[in-house]
Amino acid sequence: SQQGEEDPQALSIQEGENATMNCSYKTSINNLQWYRQNSGRGLVHLILIRSNEREKHSGRLRVTLDTSKKSSSLLITASRAADTASYFCATDPNTDKLIFGTGTRLQVFP
Amino acid sequence: DAGITQSPRHKVTETGTPVTLRCHQTENHRYMYWYRQDPGHGLRLIHYSYGVKDTDKGEVSDGYSVSRSKTEDFLLTLESATSSQTSVYFCAISERERGGLEQFFGPGTRLTVL
Repeated sequence: SQQGEEDPQALSIQEGENATMNCSYKTSINNLQWYRQNSGRGLVHLILIRSNEREKHSGRLRVTLDTSKKSSSLLITASRAADTASYFCATDPNTDKLIFGTGTRLQVFP
Repeated sequence: DAGITQSPRHKVTETGTPVTLRCHQTENHRYMYWYRQDPGHGLRLIHYSYGVKDTDKGEVSDGYSVSRSKTEDFLLTLESATSSQTSVYFCAISERERGGLEQFFGPGTRLTVL
């Protein structure tokens, strides 16, 4: 399978804590993206980091990319109950399609 | 939100019957995709389109066919549905802007094959 792998598969934290999830991939990439999926809904794009970038911020999201290790991490700071969702990384190898990871299920308890 | 709809949203059918799912977009995006999502497997690409009448297979294309006769519509057909095709199906659209291939997803179709 070409799918990337995400770690952990599931994560439970309290509101206010930080959540970190990791993504490893196999191919060289043009960019890497993170998506969020609320239960029963379609995926929503969160952030994109290009292969020549090492870190990117968007609000409470911080993404890092290490192309030498073929890995990325997504940090959500000061988590809220509304952050409860599944999070997917997706790599863009500069073809016509993305390669999605298997996802991390995040549960944030009030 | 991107203008992308899927129909039907829910469908229950019997083994051996043909099923067609429709994805409709109002964004004039070049790329359209069909995925299936199953527990433990994440999101898997079935077929995708890179233009009108231009389609290609994804990683789980067996048992599925697609057609795109106009920019806004991408149809997924199960010629003879099987129970293994019970899944949630997502359509996505994309345009390669500023070097990125950000995808916008539809709300999904829950298909049950009895």
